[in-house]
Amino acid sequence: EVQLVESGGGLVQPGGSLRLSCAASGFTVSTNYMSWVRQAPGKGLEWVSLIYSGGNTYYADSVKGRFTISRDNSKNTLYLQMNSLRAEDTAVYYCARELGYCSTTSCRRYYYYMDVWGKGTTVTVSS
Amino acid sequence: QSALTQPASVSGSPGQSITISCTGTSSDVGGYNYVSWYQQHPGKAPKLMIYDVSGRPSGVSNRFSGSKSGSTASLTISGLQAEDEADYYCSSYTSSSTYVFGTGTKVTVL
Repeated sequence: EVQLVESGGGLVQPGGSLRLSCAASGFTVSTNYMSWVRQAPGKGLEWVSLIYSGGNTYYADSVKGRFTISRDNSKNTLYLQMNSLRAEDTAVYYCARELGYCSTTSCRRYYYYMDVWGKGTTVTVSS
Repeated sequence: QSALTQPASVSGSPGQSITISCTGTSSDVGGYNYVSWYQQHPGKAPKLMIYDVSGRPSGVSNRFSGSKSGSTASLTISGLQAEDEADYYCSSYTSSSTYVFGTGTKVTVL
């Protein structure tokens, strides 16, 4: 079964750091395009970050310079390192998959939508 | 990247059809046929309902359909059912190779 399970959320003080994890099963993280999406309490969805199968990374302006997306291929796990946290970073954080289109030698973007989502992990930034 | 614009709420009676709009710019909705729609029930993760403007994933009811004209995409739910009551978000690929989501629409079944 294709599945994503987030963990690592919790309560952190402003200015603090937290690392979120997203464990994948049923598919390989490194051959797909993985995003983090967040949702502040009572608010809408906000795309946060994306990592390409080739390793390129992209960030929303609201987190650029503070958050780092990465993955561990041996653990088939996606991460989001969050530093200099602010109250406005309080949200449920979801990881999501954009399926990669892969040949025998490489993968590229082809399916521009997120077809698999985790259940989310809650981050609260407060003193 | 500014959020795509959706109506805050839309309502309809069971069996009726409703349409949710999603307005962007030439850098997102208007520039690509990569608009997707997600359904989210309270406390749950988003679920993909429509991809590539009008594609429907396996398992999604054919009561859900999508379209696009210029920089405005639309999601239509026909034969409205109680289980369709949820929040709906559009999303688009952008010229920055990223995603942008809509502001979200709460659908109420009267």
